[in-house]
Formats: sequence, C-alpha cells, structure tokens
Amino acid sequence: EDQVTQSPEALRLQEGESSSLNCSYTVSGLRGLFWYRQDPGKGPEFLFTLYSAGEEKEKERLKATLTKKESFLHITAPKPEDSATYLCAVQITGRRALTFGSGTRLQVQP
Amino acid sequence: EAGVAQSPRYKIIEKRQSVAFWCNPISGHATLYWYQQILGQGPKLLIQFQNNGVVDDSQLPKDRFSAERLKGVDSTLKIQPAKLEDSAVYLCASSLTSASTDTQYFGPGTRLTVL
Repeated sequence: EDQVTQSPEALRLQEGESSSLNCSYTVSGLRGLFWYRQDPGKGPEFLFTLYSAGEEKEKERLKATLTKKESFLHITAPKPEDSATYLCAVQITGRRALTFGSGTRLQVQP
Repeated sequence: EAGVAQSPRYKIIEKRQSVAFWCNPISGHATLYWYQQILGQGPKLLIQFQNNGVVDDSQLPKDRFSAERLKGVDSTLKIQPAKLEDSAVYLCASSLTSASTDTQYFGPGTRLTVL
C-alpha cells in the first residue's frame, strides 16, 4: 500500500532559526512529489513539484529536495509569516490523484 | 486568473440530513477532484473527473455520496444521508493535466459540521 509519512507533526521555531521538514514515502512507482502550504481555513497552496531523485527547487526561504525514499523541505531563516501546515503529497505512476501525508504544523515565533 | 471557487464555505446540518457542495474549477482545467480533509489529517481523494467522465471513485462511499460534473465544468458533491463522521472540510481541486504539468490547484473548501 502506498504510504506518505511526514515528520515532525509539529515544529516550533524562533524567527531566523533554520530547520527541515521530512516526508518519507513508500510507493509502487513515483511520478511526482508535491509540497503544499495550508493556512488555517484555506485550501492547500501549491509550492513545488519534484520528479526525480537529486532534484532541488527553491522559492524565497524554502528549498525542497528529493531522494528515492524521502523529500525534505528546508526553511532558511524563517519569519512568522511562514507559520502554516506544510503538506507533502505523492502522485503514483498511472494515477493523477494525490496521496497526502498528515502534514507538519510549523509555528515561527518572533 | 480566477482560482477554484467553492460554495458554501460553511455548512452545519443534523445527521441524516442531506447536503450539497458546489465547485467551479479554473477555466480550461479538464480534470476536477473532490477531496475530504478530516481535522488533523491530509486531504483524501473522493472522486476524480476528466471532463465530465469519472476516472477514479474507488474511495467514494457510494451508499451516501454522489457527485456529478455536467458539461465538464462545474461539479456538485452530495451527501445523503449525512453521518457524524462526515464532518470535515471538502476541498475541490482542478488541474490542466497536460503531458508536462499536473499541478492541482485547490479551492478554499467547504467546512461541514454534522450534529
């Protein structure tokens, strides 16, 4: 069975304190790995798609990386506005729907 | 470019009542998805449409849930009758689904509370 596990469940950082969120996956065949940000009361907002091991993508203070078993979302010098739930999802070969992890709730304190 | 629109944003009903949610995808997006997100969990696919045809409804509780996408644009998700465990946020997403991109864009969701 395809599985996506995110850790930690919750993370509290001080402003400027860099860290990483983990997404490990066990799937029959990976077509793509997606990162989304979700603010309270809103739908998930697309951040990145990674397709192959070794691929990296950056956007402002965020950088996503991918290996054959996991993905990391690195947050460099976070600000309070980065506080949100970060969701990881996989797209399996032959299937377009996404399988999501449970998310990491990030809180950045000023 | 307008995003995915959903209504209503909030709905409170008694168990055994019926409820319907509406979704208008991004213009030109052929693929439409309905996801259920229970508090503290990631979204879970209920049904996927390609134009007005169903592609994947394997996780849709068909004894109480139904969905349609007439004319390949708007979609409606219905629950009849509702149970307490249906309390969740119902998210609609759409994608262009070309050979090079499959990014799904989500609407704001409808928060359903079943009492």
